[in-house]
Amino acid sequence: GAVVSQHPSRVICKSGTSVKIECRSLDFQATTMFWYRQFPKQSLMLMATSNEGSKATYEQGVEKDKFLINHASLTLSTLTVTSAHPEDSSFYICSATDRGPYTEAFFGQGTRLTVV
Amino acid sequence: RKEVEQDPGPFNVPEGATVAFNCTYSNSASQSFFWYRQDCRKEPKLLMSVYSSGNEDGRFTAQLNRASQYISLLIRDSKLSDSATYLCVVPPYGGATNKLIFGTGTLLAVQP
Repeated sequence: GAVVSQHPSRVICKSGTSVKIECRSLDFQATTMFWYRQFPKQSLMLMATSNEGSKATYEQGVEKDKFLINHASLTLSTLTVTSAHPEDSSFYICSATDRGPYTEAFFGQGTRLTVV
Repeated sequence: RKEVEQDPGPFNVPEGATVAFNCTYSNSASQSFFWYRQDCRKEPKLLMSVYSSGNEDGRFTAQLNRASQYISLLIRDSKLSDSATYLCVVPPYGGATNKLIFGTGTLLAVQP
């Protein structure tokens, strides 16, 4: 099946620094990738939709200047958490969809971000 | 009405039991449906896809009721390893560019 690789799997950073998370589709081209955030005991909440070659579309309540998304190629999207604060500590997961009439999401392994 | 709704549980069942979860959706135009399984601190993994009336894979059966706009997941002969959160996903009708809408997830705890 399709594989999506997300890196790093775990990161601890100091408050005020920025963290970049990469999401790669390894064996298919993903024109669209999605970024989710999941707080403990809650479901995945869509943060933004990342389209190759264009600006990301952010969900309501998600600060685009804080969560910078870049989708420069058909196989790579990055999420940068800028000026991270402890409340940004969460599980961030990307997913990618390939072409076809039915949408099936392939997920990365997730990144556990802890801001201290 | 929320786009996708699930009973969050937890469902605590003994090994060997049969358990069923429901997921209701609001968009009547939706054509495809998915059940994902998520273990604690892991990424979701696709469990079953439902494109017509239903799908069956071993101990797992998914059924779609378009008239009432819900899908169900039935797990027979529950195993300890079935303990996880089960996420219902209902993509809007369309191509690969559509976002996925997750239910809140149903937590299943299978006990010995």
